[in-house]
Amino acid sequence: EDQVTQSPEALRLQEGESSSLNCSYTVSGLRGLFWYRQDPGKGPEFLFTLYSAGEEKEKERLKATLTKKESFLHITAPKPEDSATYLCAVQALDSWGKLQFGAGTQVVVTP
Amino acid sequence: DVKVTQSSRYLVKRTGEKVFLECVQDMDHENMFWYRQDPGLGLRLIYFSYDVKMKEKGDIPEGYSVSREKKERFSLILESASTNQTSMYLCASSLTSGRVTGELFFGEGSRLTVL
Repeated sequence: EDQVTQSPEALRLQEGESSSLNCSYTVSGLRGLFWYRQDPGKGPEFLFTLYSAGEEKEKERLKATLTKKESFLHITAPKPEDSATYLCAVQALDSWGKLQFGAGTQVVVTP
Repeated sequence: DVKVTQSSRYLVKRTGEKVFLECVQDMDHENMFWYRQDPGLGLRLIYFSYDVKMKEKGDIPEGYSVSREKKERFSLILESASTNQTSMYLCASSLTSGRVTGELFFGEGSRLTVL
């Protein structure tokens, strides 16, 4: 069974204090790994797709990386507007259309 | 921009009531999904549909049914609501285009409370 574990559950950062979020996964053949951002009271918003080990994607202060067993979301010099819950999801080769989500990491960035 | 609209942001229902949650997307996406989100459990897939009148069970279909009569509309039905169905319900859509089926566009969610 596909599994996705995110750590830490919660992260409190000072503005400018860089950090990383972890997403460990087990899947029978990876079609893709996805990162989403979710603001309170809203639906998740797509950030990145990673397909193979060694791949990296960047967007503003966020950078996602992928290995064969885990993905990291690096937040560089965060600002208060980066406060959100970050969700990781995997899609297996044999589970068309279905994503397995992790429980998320809640990030709070204080001024 | 893709827009996924869920009909109700907040609902309060009584145990045993029939509940309809409606979702409409405006980008001609083939795939539509219903998830529920609970603290500590993340998003769990209830049902999904890859075409009109087609549906597939997700991980937690018990107590739910769905309807997709038109491409843009996907409805979630709770035939007899129970308190353990109190949750945030999220609808999503996506294209079928090779590798991008994991890029989901979500609605704002419907928070259901069953008393």
